[in-house]
Amino acid sequence: DGGITQSPKYLFRKEGQNVTLSCEQNLNHDAMYWYRQDPGQGLRLIYYSQIVNDFQKGDIAEGYSVSREKKESFPLTVTSAQKNPTAFYLCASSRENTEAFFGQGTRLTVV
Amino acid sequence: AQRVTQPEKLLSVFKGAPVELKCNYSYSGSPELFWYVQYSRQRLQLLLRHISRESIKGFTADLNKGETSFHLKKPFAQEEDSAMYYCALSSPGTYKYIFGTGTRLKVLA
Repeated sequence: DGGITQSPKYLFRKEGQNVTLSCEQNLNHDAMYWYRQDPGQGLRLIYYSQIVNDFQKGDIAEGYSVSREKKESFPLTVTSAQKNPTAFYLCASSRENTEAFFGQGTRLTVV
Repeated sequence: AQRVTQPEKLLSVFKGAPVELKCNYSYSGSPELFWYVQYSRQRLQLLLRHISRESIKGFTADLNKGETSFHLKKPFAQEEDSAMYYCALSSPGTYKYIFGTGTRLKVLA
C-alpha cells in the first residue's frame, strides 16, 4: 500500500527537550517537505529536500533540524531552541512540479 | 518574493449557491498552481491543478496571469464541500511549494 506515513500521531514533550518526528514514504518521490500548520496561518514551510543528503531551509527553519540519509525518510527534530513548538506538523512528498502527497500529521504539544 | 494570498479566512454559503474562493499570487515567471482540500479528519489532498484544466467535484479554477489570480469556483455548493481549502504555488524547475493561509468553506443547509 503506497503512501506517506507520519509517526507518532500525538507527541508530548517537556520544555527544554528535543523531539524527533518521523516521516516515511514508499512512493519513490525525490522531494520531501515539512510544514507547520497553525490556525489562521495556513501551511508554513520548515524544510524541504529535493534529493538524498541535501535539504534547504524554508520560511520558518529556526529551531528545527532535518536529515535526509535515505530517499524514503525525512525526520524532523524540534529542538529546545524552537520557542513555540506546539503545533500540527505535516510531512509531504512529491516529484518535481507534481501533486504533493501528505501524511496524516503529528500533533506536538509541549507540557 | 513568492507569495500566495487567500484573503478570506472563512466563507459561508447556502447549499445550492455559487462559491468562489479567492487566490492571488506573486511570482516572477510562470508558476504551477494548485488547489488542495482538507476535509474534517482527513489528510490534505490535491483538488485540482491549473495545468490539467479539469473539473473535480464540480470545482474549476482558471489561471489569470494578468490579475495573478487562480480563484476556485463551483456553481452550486453542496454540504459535503465544507472543508479547508488551500491554494498553492510551485516554482518550475524546483520542488518548492508555497501555500496560502487557507479558506474554510462552510456550506449551510
